[in-house]
Amino acid sequence: KQEVTQIPAALSVPEGENLVLNCSFTDSAIYNLQWFRQDPGKGLTSLLLIQSSQREQTSGRLNASLDKSSGRSTLYIAASQPGDSATYLCAVRFPMDSNYQLIWGAGTKLIIKP
Amino acid sequence: NAGVTQTPKFHILKIGQSMTLQCTQDMNHNYMYWYRQDPGMGLKLIYYSVGAGITDKGEVPNGYNVSRSTTEDFPLRLELAAPSQTSVYFCASSYGTGHETQYFGPGTRLLVL
Repeated sequence: KQEVTQIPAALSVPEGENLVLNCSFTDSAIYNLQWFRQDPGKGLTSLLLIQSSQREQTSGRLNASLDKSSGRSTLYIAASQPGDSATYLCAVRFPMDSNYQLIWGAGTKLIIKP
Repeated sequence: NAGVTQTPKFHILKIGQSMTLQCTQDMNHNYMYWYRQDPGMGLKLIYYSVGAGITDKGEVPNGYNVSRSTTEDFPLRLELAAPSQTSVYFCASSYGTGHETQYFGPGTRLLVL
C-alpha cells in the first residue's frame, strides 16, 4: 500500500530561521508530488507541484526538492516569518492509480515565533 | 472569481439524520472531488467526478452519495449519519486530466452526535 509520511508532526522555530519540512513516500514510481498549505478554518492552497521528471521547484522563499530514489521530498522555507505559520501537507500521485487519487501525508504544523 | 465555495461552514447532525453538503466552483473545471480530513490525518478521497453526469468512488465512499448534474455543482449527500462521519469535508476542483493542481474550498466542519 502506498503511504506518505510527514515528520515531525509539529515544529516551532524563531522568526528569521531557515527550515526544512520532510515528506517520505513508500513507492518511488510517482507521477508528481505537491506541497500544500492549510490555514485554520480555511481550505488548502497549493504551494509547489513537482513532476516526476523534475528535481526541484521554487516559488519566492519556498523551494521543494524531490529525490525519487530515496522516496523523499523536502520543503525549504527561507527566512521564516510569523505569516508562514500553518500546517504544510504533502500529497503524492502515483501513476498506477486510476482513480486520480492523491495520497496525503498527515501534515506538519509549523509555528514561527516572533 | 469566488473559486470553490462550500456551504455550510459548520453543522451539527443527529445520528440517523441525512444532509447535503454543497460545493460550487466558478472556474469551469471539469474535475471535482470530495475529501474528508480527520484530526491528525491526511485527506481521504470520498468521491470524484470527471465531468457532468460522471462520478466515481474514491477511497472511503461508504455512507455517502454524490451527483454532478452541472459543471459547477458537486453536492455530497450523507445518508443515515453516524458518529464516524464527524470530520472536516473539503471540496476541490481541477481543470485538466486530474494530474494538475487542485483548488480547494474552505471546508465544512460536521459534527454527528
